Amino acid sequence: DAGVIQSPRHEVTEMGQEVTLRCKPISGHNSLFWYRQTMMRGLELLIYFNNNVPIDDSGMPEDRFSAKMPNASFSTLKIQPSEPRDSAVYFCASNPTGLPYEQYFGPGTRLTVT
Amino acid sequence: AQSVAQPEDQVNVAEGNPLTVKCTYSVSGNPYLFWYVQYPNRGLQFLLKYITGDNLVKGSYGFEAEFNKSQTSFHLKKPSALVSDSALYFCAVRPRSNDYKLSFGAGTTVTVRA
Repeated sequence: DAGVIQSPRHEVTEMGQEVTLRCKPISGHNSLFWYRQTMMRGLELLIYFNNNVPIDDSGMPEDRFSAKMPNASFSTLKIQPSEPRDSAVYFCASNPTGLPYEQYFGPGTRLTVT
Repeated sequence: AQSVAQPEDQVNVAEGNPLTVKCTYSVSGNPYLFWYVQYPNRGLQFLLKYITGDNLVKGSYGFEAEFNKSQTSFHLKKPSALVSDSALYFCAVRPRSNDYKLSFGAGTTVTVRA
């Protein structure tokens, strides 16, 4: 089992540019989460998908952020336009729906916006 | 509202000594409780969880945690710490009424000195 896969692992971009982060959940997991981790705010849930449908996007900071899950094996988080305050580590996590299974986290994408 | 408190930002212990990382929560009902560990430049790794039953839960790498309902605590413990246990530890809570949302504590940095 390859675990949750995220790409890229590091992204450096200039303010105003579009950034797309990618995630492949563990096969068979039908819940997917995007988190953001910063020193100031800790771990924040951005959006939650169940069976490819966005269920809770209340954590998405603003309209510059969007997320999609076109199929069970792929999700993207897009920031357009990016700003320096978006610099953070973005994690994707997945787990099976139902019982309180633990979430499995990917290695994260470290985003730096200059 | 649910919240998770990790009262110590840092815990320092000598190798071979007992290690305790504290966690208290404020959630209605009997929540599900989790501990995760994060090594530098890595995603979060699941350590253990409390769902029901025995208040003492055993997990990975020799860690255990004790659920205390009256004190609403779920402290993480290891009888004999290793230098390799140095990492960032997160407590997380999920209400039984909610089938997905984990609330994370701010994290505790553990340093084990040789």
